[in-house]
Amino acid sequence: DAGITQSPRYKITETGRQVTLMCHQTWSHSYMFWYRQDLGHGLRLIYYSAAADITDKGEVPDGYVVSRSKTENFPLTLESATRSQTSVYFCASSSEAGGIYEQYFGPGTRLTVT
Amino acid sequence: DAKTTQPPSMDCAEGRAANLPCNHSTISGNEYVYWYRQIHSQGPQYIIHGLKNNETNEMASLIITEDRKSSTLILPHATLRDTAVYYCIVPYGQNFVFGPGTRLSVLP
Repeated sequence: DAGITQSPRYKITETGRQVTLMCHQTWSHSYMFWYRQDLGHGLRLIYYSAAADITDKGEVPDGYVVSRSKTENFPLTLESATRSQTSVYFCASSSEAGGIYEQYFGPGTRLTVT
Repeated sequence: DAKTTQPPSMDCAEGRAANLPCNHSTISGNEYVYWYRQIHSQGPQYIIHGLKNNETNEMASLIITEDRKSSTLILPHATLRDTAVYYCIVPYGQNFVFGPGTRLSVLP
């Protein structure tokens, strides 16, 4: 399917476990982003990537690791999950043509850390 | 950075125009205004953006005042499916901050 997809859509994990959230886009967009949204709050940028093998920290990067070996994929890894990382995670992408801020979002992954 | 201020909530009757205001009094000359919306639990959706001229697309119109200190997003004929949180954003550098936005309720 064309567009941006995230998997899994729902995940429950235990404190201390490693968990990876996947993001895949079919547009060949240069930029990709990871945000988290906590209940009743706006989105906060975790990491972003301007191209394959180029990543940079956002507002709240601690406890997260990203990689981007292929343009279309941008996985987010929680190395040792904590309860404070319970959140909804959104991946987004944007193109050079549209500009970094014209972002297209995935459906989100709802992560619960017990 | 240009901070934005939006009313926390608004109501609009179905079929009527919804006018969502945003203040960005500290915006600088080359900063754009972006609008997104988030329908319950879904990912945010890009709507429109502008610099100083009014803009229109298939979703909405954006009216920016001449001094650029405020803007209004207009949904010309609101439907129930337009019920969402609307975010007005003035990004700079890597900062692209989704604040609390305006919760628009379209009423039947």
